[in-house]
Amino acid sequence: NAGVTQTPKFQVLKTGQSMTLQCAQDMNHNSMYWYRQDPGMGLRLIYYSASEGTTDKGEVPNGYNVSRLNKREFSLRLESAAPSQTSVYFCASSSKRTSGTNEQFFGPGTRLTVL
Amino acid sequence: DAKTTQPPSMDCAEGRAANLPCNHSTISGNEYVYWYRQIHSQGPQYIIHGLKNNETNEMASLIITEDRKSSTLILPHATLRDTAVYYCIVSGSGGSNYKLTFGKGTLLTVNP
Repeated sequence: NAGVTQTPKFQVLKTGQSMTLQCAQDMNHNSMYWYRQDPGMGLRLIYYSASEGTTDKGEVPNGYNVSRLNKREFSLRLESAAPSQTSVYFCASSSKRTSGTNEQFFGPGTRLTVL
Repeated sequence: DAKTTQPPSMDCAEGRAANLPCNHSTISGNEYVYWYRQIHSQGPQYIIHGLKNNETNEMASLIITEDRKSSTLILPHATLRDTAVYYCIVSGSGGSNYKLTFGKGTLLTVNP
């Protein structure tokens, strides 16, 4: 049971290049999330997928696209990377309990640098 | 979701209890208090959550005041590995509870 896995762990891009960050979970969770964390800051939600087949914008969606490929996988794409997207990206997953609460489980992160 | 206020940093001696406070004076009736922590460079880790009753699990205890306007996370016997940023988050239990708003949290440093 690996939990939430992310690939790659590190990536360096040049301005204008594109790339896709991959995330997978093996906990049979319905919901998945992408966050970014800039130095000294808390996490900010980019996009989330409440259930398979649905995606919604979070707090900072501009410059990103997502795909909920199936229940296990949720990818984040940067079409034309910019230096402002240099950050650490975390994927998370959760399933809502009968109480309505929603504990999220996070992956180890992808450290992205855009030159 | 209600906003939370936490001290930016705290120190604790190894083996002693660490008490981390959080103010959430605008919390509404259906909102839960969650605590997460983030050890350096790792993904955040869920610790505990509560609505109005005090809660305890294998990691920590959560004490919520009767008026629910503040709470305290207690690590009963802090170790060096508990050094981390601790986030107090308020989130609803309805359809909007997918979003966790992370502030800057409290950096807890456990000293030997």
